[in-house]
Amino acid sequence: DIQMTQSPSSLSASVGDRVTITCRASQSISNYLSWYQHKPGKAPKLLIYAASTLQDGVPSRFSGSGSGTTFTLTISSLQPEDFATYYCQQSYNTPRGGTFGQGTKVEIK
Amino acid sequence: QLHLQESGPGLVKPSETLSLTCTVSGGSISSSAYYWGWVRQSPGKGLEWIGTMYYSETTYYNPSLKSRVTIFVDTSKNQFSLWLNSVTAADTAVYYCARLPPYDYRTGYYFDYWGQGTLVTVSS
Repeated sequence: DIQMTQSPSSLSASVGDRVTITCRASQSISNYLSWYQHKPGKAPKLLIYAASTLQDGVPSRFSGSGSGTTFTLTISSLQPEDFATYYCQQSYNTPRGGTFGQGTKVEIK
Repeated sequence: QLHLQESGPGLVKPSETLSLTCTVSGGSISSSAYYWGWVRQSPGKGLEWIGTMYYSETTYYNPSLKSRVTIFVDTSKNQFSLWLNSVTAADTAVYYCARLPPYDYRTGYYFDYWGQGTLVTVSS
């Protein structure tokens, strides 16, 4: 099984900060990596797929990069509505599904 | 705008079968090449993929749950359903239904639309 490890598991940041979350795969997953934002009681929201492609309607302050085993999600200027938990997901060896990271909770400093 | 809504009992007894339905509106579940899946989140834990189906009823399950899971479709109602049998307290979770876009070798699989989720508690 491919394990997905996110770091950090939580962080505190202020509005306007640049935030970077890392997701590491236990083996190469090419670019089959997606990022989601999840707020309590709400549906998870797709932010990025194929490691770096921004989903339609997602603000451009979100960006993704990486390939192989190491990926990053960057929020260039944190906004109040961005406080949430973020998950990465790989689908390299689980076609039509995926394995998620354990999540990174972004909290207000 | 596509909308997915989960429904079903919020309480299931141990050893019984969990049964949930996802109603899709704003689009047809028979739309070519889309997949439809279930994901859950246990309390205090991360997201876990349960399984995915194609409208033709071809299914794909998480190996860790495969022996207990059935996903099936009712195209006349634009719904798909999840059965999880022999449940235990470990199956207590928020269950989400979601859509996966058609496969593209350049992007892999991902979930582009999600329902809001429904909490299912396994308890006697």
